[in-house]
Amino acid sequence: NAGVTQTPKFRVLKTGQSMTLLCAQDMNHEYMYWYRQDPGMGLRLIHYSVGEGTTAKGEVPDGYNVSRLKKQNFLLGLESAAPSQTSVYFCASSLNTYNEQFFGPGTRLTVL
Amino acid sequence: EDKVVQSPLSLVVHEGDTVTLNCSYEVTNFRSLLWYKQEKKAPTFLFMLTSSGIEKKSGRLSSILDKKELSSILNITATQTGDSAIYLCASLSSNTGKLIFGQGTTLQVKP
Repeated sequence: NAGVTQTPKFRVLKTGQSMTLLCAQDMNHEYMYWYRQDPGMGLRLIHYSVGEGTTAKGEVPDGYNVSRLKKQNFLLGLESAAPSQTSVYFCASSLNTYNEQFFGPGTRLTVL
Repeated sequence: EDKVVQSPLSLVVHEGDTVTLNCSYEVTNFRSLLWYKQEKKAPTFLFMLTSSGIEKKSGRLSSILDKKELSSILNITATQTGDSAIYLCASLSSNTGKLIFGQGTTLQVKP
């Protein structure tokens, strides 16, 4: 089992460019989450999904969109990147609301 | 507004020392308190605490939840350099499974 995987691992964008981060899990988990981690701020929830075809906003959703077309994949999109979106992005998944979340290795994004 | 606060934010100790990390929470729909360890990359799960007063242990690490005080502690005894990491606590919501994280405690263990 690969667990939770994320692509790409690193990316540099210019302001205004768009990109999509892909998260995949092979554990048949219903719930998937996107977080960003900034120095001194822990992890903050961007968007999450409670099942295939569903998405919901987290704490810091502005400037991001998500889609969950297949149960195993959760995509995070940046339509027009801004320097404030420079961060490390983590995807996570869990079986249900009673269980711990498993995290992917992260994507380091720099927006110039 | 739901929040989780950790203290201290950073800590430097020597190998063999015992450390106590603190986490307090103010959240609605609280279900559980989780601890994660983060080294270079992804946070890895340590403990989930749901019942008050019951200690969870794994080797030199242990944790306990106090629902009355809305807090939890993580103890590490006989620290080793491999314990150097960021330790994150998070509250788990009963409705959505959402985690709200504290800022993290950065622990450095010197030889």
